[in-house]
Amino acid sequence: AQSVTQPDIHITVSEGASLELRCNYSYGATPYLFWYVQSPGQGLQLLLKYFSGDTLVQGIKGFEAEFKRSQSSFNLRKPSVHWSDAAEYFCAVGQGGGNKLTFGTGTQLKVEL
Amino acid sequence: DAMVIQNPRYQVTQFGKPVTLSCSQTLNHNVMYWYQQKSSQAPKLLFHYYDKDFNNEADTPDNFQSRRPNTSFCFLDIRSPGLGDTAMYLCATTVGQYQETQYFGPGTRLLVL
Repeated sequence: AQSVTQPDIHITVSEGASLELRCNYSYGATPYLFWYVQSPGQGLQLLLKYFSGDTLVQGIKGFEAEFKRSQSSFNLRKPSVHWSDAAEYFCAVGQGGGNKLTFGTGTQLKVEL
Repeated sequence: DAMVIQNPRYQVTQFGKPVTLSCSQTLNHNVMYWYQQKSSQAPKLLFHYYDKDFNNEADTPDNFQSRRPNTSFCFLDIRSPGLGDTAMYLCATTVGQYQETQYFGPGTRLLVL
């Protein structure tokens, strides 16, 4: 069975600092990997996704993520965090083709001004 | 333009009083999902449809039912809500070339008193 681990429950960074959110997955084949962001009281917004090809993927809002097969990781990065990035971030793995997603437990990001 | 619309956005109901949540999508896609998300937790899949083919997760309580009268609409019925059903309920459909990416609506926040 597929699974996703986000080891950091809470992360606090200063505005302007760089950010890396960790995600490790377990899946037998090449996974479909996603990062979603959720602001309080809102739905999930897709930041980026990886299916194949270039292992460094660019997303919206200046985020990027790198797929590392050898480490079973798909970490999310941003070079300079803005106060509006404060939210909860979920990593997810799917089988594609409209199949189910397995979510990590989420990382709550706080940005200090 | 909104692709997944959920109504109402906020719903308060009494313990044991049936409630129906609505979801519609403008994409005319085959797959729709219902998730339950409790505070500070990851979304948990309740069920999904592929066309009219209904797929219930093994641990979804019998108290939760769903209807999909046509491709555009999907309903979540909670027959006798308990206090533990207070949560955000998220609806999603799929987008992308292979319908591999889940696109979420804004959610309905349900409070059971």
